[in-house]
Amino acid sequence: SAVISQKPSRDICQRGTSLTIQCQVDSQVTMMFWYRQQPGQSLTLIATANQGSEATYESGFVIDKFPISRPNLTFSTLTVSNMSPEDSSIYLCSVTSGVYTGELFFGEGSRLTVL
Amino acid sequence: GENVEQHPSTLSVQEGDSAVIKCTYSDSASNYFPWYKQELGKGPQLIIDIRSNVGEKKDQRIAVTLNKTAKHFSLHITETQPEDSAVYFCAASLVEYGNKLVFGAGTILRVKS
Repeated sequence: SAVISQKPSRDICQRGTSLTIQCQVDSQVTMMFWYRQQPGQSLTLIATANQGSEATYESGFVIDKFPISRPNLTFSTLTVSNMSPEDSSIYLCSVTSGVYTGELFFGEGSRLTVL
Repeated sequence: GENVEQHPSTLSVQEGDSAVIKCTYSDSASNYFPWYKQELGKGPQLIIDIRSNVGEKKDQRIAVTLNKTAKHFSLHITETQPEDSAVYFCAASLVEYGNKLVFGAGTILRVKS
């Protein structure tokens, strides 16, 4: 399985600011995804990060709030913009190495607290 | 779209006993069903998965069963140990649509020693 590194691992942010989370994978992967896990809750898919093109967002998530970049096959960023306390969550990068294999692997997550 | 329900939300067992967690899914087209274990402060870890062409899969103390007709699948952990204590998530997806997983709500498993 791929080794996925996320930065920062945790941060405390002020309301109205933006924070960019980085996801670095140790090998080329076909697909990268960003999930959100609110406190004590399950995982919800935010978007699929597409290499060289705009991300594909799930219902309820928009590009202005969660801009995503994926410049190559091993790296992606998620920005949480204009943060409010409701954005306090764990943000998780996940990857798969094959479109038809199914296996999805997760990073350790970035725990954001918005005051 | 797909919807996954997971039960129970919490489960306490005595060390050495078995634990069973059940999930149902709504989309009959889903064909991939993984289980993840999440320990405190860590990301989810894939522990076992099953595809729709298989009814059961085992890996040491862990097994997963799938009933496509009823659209439910279950995780079985035998001879539980304190290190099995964690949150377990089931999920479902149609891999041809790019492995976008839909997760259940999670089960907190506590193994008492």
